[in-house]
Amino acid sequence: GQNIDQPTEMTATEGAIVQINCTYQTSGFNGLFWYQQHAGEAPTFLSYNVLDGLEEKGRFSSFLSRSKGYSYLLLKELQMKDSASYLCAVLNDYKLSFGAGTTVTVRA
Amino acid sequence: DAGVTQSPTHLIKTRGQHVTLRCSPISGHKSVSWYQQVLGQGPQFIFQYYEKEERGRGNFPDRFSARQFPNYSSELNVNALLLGDSALYLCASSLAAGRTNSPLHFGNGTRLTVT
Repeated sequence: GQNIDQPTEMTATEGAIVQINCTYQTSGFNGLFWYQQHAGEAPTFLSYNVLDGLEEKGRFSSFLSRSKGYSYLLLKELQMKDSASYLCAVLNDYKLSFGAGTTVTVRA
Repeated sequence: DAGVTQSPTHLIKTRGQHVTLRCSPISGHKSVSWYQQVLGQGPQFIFQYYEKEERGRGNFPDRFSARQFPNYSSELNVNALLLGDSALYLCASSLAAGRTNSPLHFGNGTRLTVT
């Protein structure tokens, strides 16, 4: 089975940093994705990790530890437009299994 | 380049009816996947098709079926609709299928309401 856990909600101030944690227990692992989803819109791809370590992409970074079944998404220099749901997803062969998503609210 | 396109954007059906949702992948993408997203939850995998063959199926009843056409577009069919089928249905395309860093690119979805 697949079990992917992430916090339900997080709130942060504009310009600050927020870290969204994701823990997973899955029957197989071929990589971990992070997606951003604004209300009423499609999920958009943010990052992909398959090896342990940190992947940096502008203001967004993602970290993976396969031995711990753990990943985080780091959002730096938060902007109001970053208010959205962030989805952690584990790839197992052809199937992407998603967590329930973390709603991030950025306050002025 | 056009992204993944889905039609219709919204649909209201009555219990017991059937529905067909359509998806056109990004040009050059041969893999299409379907996901169901209920409000407040992450997307749940329904099907994946690659090169017109079903590559995987999630834990959905046989009322759900799909197919992929020679031009790589796809249809999702749901028969005998239940109230619980009300959700956002997302189609996603990718260059390859499985075990790859080829990310899924999602369409804006079809919002299905069953009354």
